[in-house]
Amino acid sequence: AQTVTQSQPEMSVQEAETVTLSCTYDTSENNYYLFWYKQPPSRQMILVIRQEAYKQQNATENRFSVNFQKAAKSFSLKISDSQLGDTAMYFCAFMKHNNDMRFGAGTRLTVKP
Amino acid sequence: DTGVSQDPRHKITKRGQNVTFRCDPISEHNRLYWYRQTLGQGPEFLTYFQNEAQLEKSRLLSDRFSAERPKGSFSTLEIQRTEQGDSAMYLCASSLGLAGFTGELFFGEGSRLTVL
Repeated sequence: AQTVTQSQPEMSVQEAETVTLSCTYDTSENNYYLFWYKQPPSRQMILVIRQEAYKQQNATENRFSVNFQKAAKSFSLKISDSQLGDTAMYFCAFMKHNNDMRFGAGTRLTVKP
Repeated sequence: DTGVSQDPRHKITKRGQNVTFRCDPISEHNRLYWYRQTLGQGPEFLTYFQNEAQLEKSRLLSDRFSAERPKGSFSTLEIQRTEQGDSAMYLCASSLGLAGFTGELFFGEGSRLTVL
């Protein structure tokens, strides 16, 4: 079974600063996907960034980037130039190819003005 | 298409009653997922469908829970004889599967269940 661990229940960052959220996972699979989803207060989950395990290059989406360490089974999210709208729960997720998605417990990020 | 829609958004019921939630996925999506989320926790996988076929069910899904997707479009999740521990947000998500697979799930806003 796949497990996803987020060891930081809560984090805070000053506006315009950079913050890194941690995630580790456990799997014996070789072909899989990793995701970071954002869930703003009382709003639906939306995808932040996606990484295919077979790609060595780290994914980047504007201010969001990941550090994917396949051997270490680590998948951290870096948010640069943090904005107040980044305040949300962030969930790391794992998916085997064409299968179901499993989530970590989440990290509550607060961006302070 | 406005995305994944769920109904009702909030349901309050008494212990022992049956409840049913409906999910309408994005029209071209052949995959549909149900998750349960309690306050401050990540979504827990319940079940998913490829078209009308239910491909996997979590061990969390007791005999009181049943999900259907009869024509491969909308889905229902029924909880029989509700218990207070069933109080949670029930999330539906859809995606492309098989040849169109990208891994991205599109979520609805959820149906919040409160069991008194």
